[in-house]
Amino acid sequence: AQSVSQHNHHVILSEAASLELGCNYSYGGTVNLFWYVQYPGQHLQLLLKYFSGDPLVKGIKGFEAEFIKSKFSFNLRKPSVQWSDTAEYFCAVNAAGGYNKLIFGAGTRLAVHP
Amino acid sequence: DAMVIQNPRYQVTQFGKPVTLSCSQTLNHNVMYWYQQKSSQAPKLLFHYYDKDFNNEADTPDNFQSRRPNTSFCFLDIRSPGLGDAAMYLCATSSDSYSNQPQHFGDGTRLSIL
Repeated sequence: AQSVSQHNHHVILSEAASLELGCNYSYGGTVNLFWYVQYPGQHLQLLLKYFSGDPLVKGIKGFEAEFIKSKFSFNLRKPSVQWSDTAEYFCAVNAAGGYNKLIFGAGTRLAVHP
Repeated sequence: DAMVIQNPRYQVTQFGKPVTLSCSQTLNHNVMYWYQQKSSQAPKLLFHYYDKDFNNEADTPDNFQSRRPNTSFCFLDIRSPGLGDAAMYLCATSSDSYSNQPQHFGDGTRLSIL
C-alpha cells in the first residue's frame, strides 16, 4: 500500500532562514508527487507538482522540490522564508497513470518568526 | 472566482444524531472527493464521485454515505455519528480522474460530536 511520511511535524524558523521539509513515500511503481500548502484559515492549495522530467521542480512563492527516485523522497525547499510562509505543508502522492486518489502525509506545521 | 464551497464551516451534532455536510463547486469539474482529517493526521480519502458514479474506499465505514444530485453539489451523510467521527471533512474536485490533474479543495467543515 502507498504511504507518505513527513518527518518534521513542527518547524520553527526565523525570517530569511532556509527551509527544507522532508517527504518520503512508499510505493512500488511510478508516482506523481505533490506539495500542498494550507495557510491559516484557508483551504489546501497546490504549491507544486512532479510528474516526470526534470527532478527539480519549481512552484509558487519561491518554493522548489527535488525528486530523488533512489531515496523515494520529494523534499520541499525555500532558500529564504518569510513570515507569510507560516502554514501547514502536506506532501501527497498518487500512482502515475492511475486513478486520481491522493495519499497524504500527516503534514508539517511551519511557524516563521519575524 | 471559481471555487469549492463547504457549508457549514463548523458543525456540532449529538452522538448518534444524523448529520449532513455539503459541498458545492463552480468549477464544473467531473470528480468530487470527500476526505476525513483527524487532528494531526493526514487527510484520508473516504469516497469520490466521477460524474454520477460513486466510488467507495474499502475501509470507509458504512456509517458514511454520500449523494451527488447534480454536477455542482455533493453531500456527506453520517448516519449515526460516534465520538471517533469528530474531524475536519474536506471536499475536493478535479476536472477528471487522471492522476495528473490537481485537486481543488474547499475550506473544510469541522465536525464536533457532543
